[in-house]
Amino acid sequence: DTEVTQTPKHLVMGMTNKKSLKCEQHMGHRAMYWYKQKAKKPPELMFVYSYEKLSINESVPSRFSPECPNSSLLNLHLHALQPEDSALYLCASSLRGGTATEAFFGQGTRLTVV
Amino acid sequence: AQSVSQHNHHVILSEAASLELGCNYSYGGTVNLFWYVQYPGQHLQLLLKYFSGDPLVKGIKGFEAEFIKSKFSFNLRKPSVQWSDTAEYFCAVAVNYGQNFVFGPGTRLSVLP
Repeated sequence: DTEVTQTPKHLVMGMTNKKSLKCEQHMGHRAMYWYKQKAKKPPELMFVYSYEKLSINESVPSRFSPECPNSSLLNLHLHALQPEDSALYLCASSLRGGTATEAFFGQGTRLTVV
Repeated sequence: AQSVSQHNHHVILSEAASLELGCNYSYGGTVNLFWYVQYPGQHLQLLLKYFSGDPLVKGIKGFEAEFIKSKFSFNLRKPSVQWSDTAEYFCAVAVNYGQNFVFGPGTRLSVLP
């Protein structure tokens, strides 16, 4: 199994809503990532978890709150988002940070904030 | 700060033409280098990677890339493109001891049948 599974695939939410994005992998990877990708732009790193601990937070607004409940799961909790937060949110995993390894990406959640 | 640049924003080729997409990075330490492809409506897929050793690496679907350390470059090549190669191509560099994958801006490849 070399898949990173993200749910939901599409999400429309209002600016006052609270929602969560979920990501799951069963490859035994110990590093997991959230990226944000706007149309026709490269993915931009948001957060990195290494061994279930937050290791990188790229100055992301607090309306985005990551959570890593265990080594297979990664969540992104969303609250009071703005329309400009509409984007494709990508989850990725790699064997572990600190070693030469590639990242495997999920298909993403396409988020629209109305 | 580390950055990755790609030479071309949009490349248009006819089928069977040869392809070379340029990628340069600015990072003085040890880097791991990648090319990812994103087909329309699909997720990012790894084409090939360079960690160490032979600077000419071969990937899937007939792609190869050459790492030239002195030029901080990692260019992607394919001798003969197909219509199905139409996609967005991203060069990426792993920095921060492999924790952060920094992506270039991407090159859109359109292959005309």
